[in-house]
Amino acid sequence: SQQGEEDPQALSIQEGENATMNCSYKTSINNLQWYRQNSGRGLVHLILIRSNEREKHSGRLRVTLDTSKKSSSLLITASRAADTASYFCALFSSNTGKLIFGQGTTLQVKP
Amino acid sequence: SQTIHQWPATLVQPVGSPLSLECTVEGTSNPNLYWYRQAAGRGLQLLFYSVGIGQISSEVPQNLSASRPQDRQFILSSKKLLLSDSGFYLCAWSPGLKEQFFGPGTRLTVL
Repeated sequence: SQQGEEDPQALSIQEGENATMNCSYKTSINNLQWYRQNSGRGLVHLILIRSNEREKHSGRLRVTLDTSKKSSSLLITASRAADTASYFCALFSSNTGKLIFGQGTTLQVKP
Repeated sequence: SQTIHQWPATLVQPVGSPLSLECTVEGTSNPNLYWYRQAAGRGLQLLFYSVGIGQISSEVPQNLSASRPQDRQFILSSKKLLLSDSGFYLCAWSPGLKEQFFGPGTRLTVL
């Protein structure tokens, strides 16, 4: 399969805790992107990490990429109830020119 | 700044009826345009993408078609809807081979 496999499918934590979501893939990529989707809404781009990068930060988000293991993780630190959403990894390959989305991780942050 | 519009927001149609969903982008020129479908609780399935006026690539053979009559307009159509066409349809644009920006989506229910 070209798409990313996300783990876990669902995650429930308390406000203030950290949330970690993982994405594994099988193809070669140029970059890997993470998106967020609130229920019934469009997706919002969070962060893009290139294949030659290992770690990237954006506010409370930290993304890592291990191309040798073909895996990425998204860490949300000090989670808030407003972080409740589905999070998707998406793989981009210049060979195909397309962005392939994983099935997503549903995160619930309890106040 | 760039914005992307989709309409209608929700649609309920009988089986066998036609469909036309519209997507327009403002504030940019020659964007790459995409149509995705998302089943409940699932990831995104790429349906069509376009790199220019009149240029449409179809990803999944099905009961749908797409057209790009203008640079910033992308239309998703069907002559006869099936029950299986129900879902959440998302339009997205990108400035190139980078991150994508999504519209608010159209919830289609075929009865």
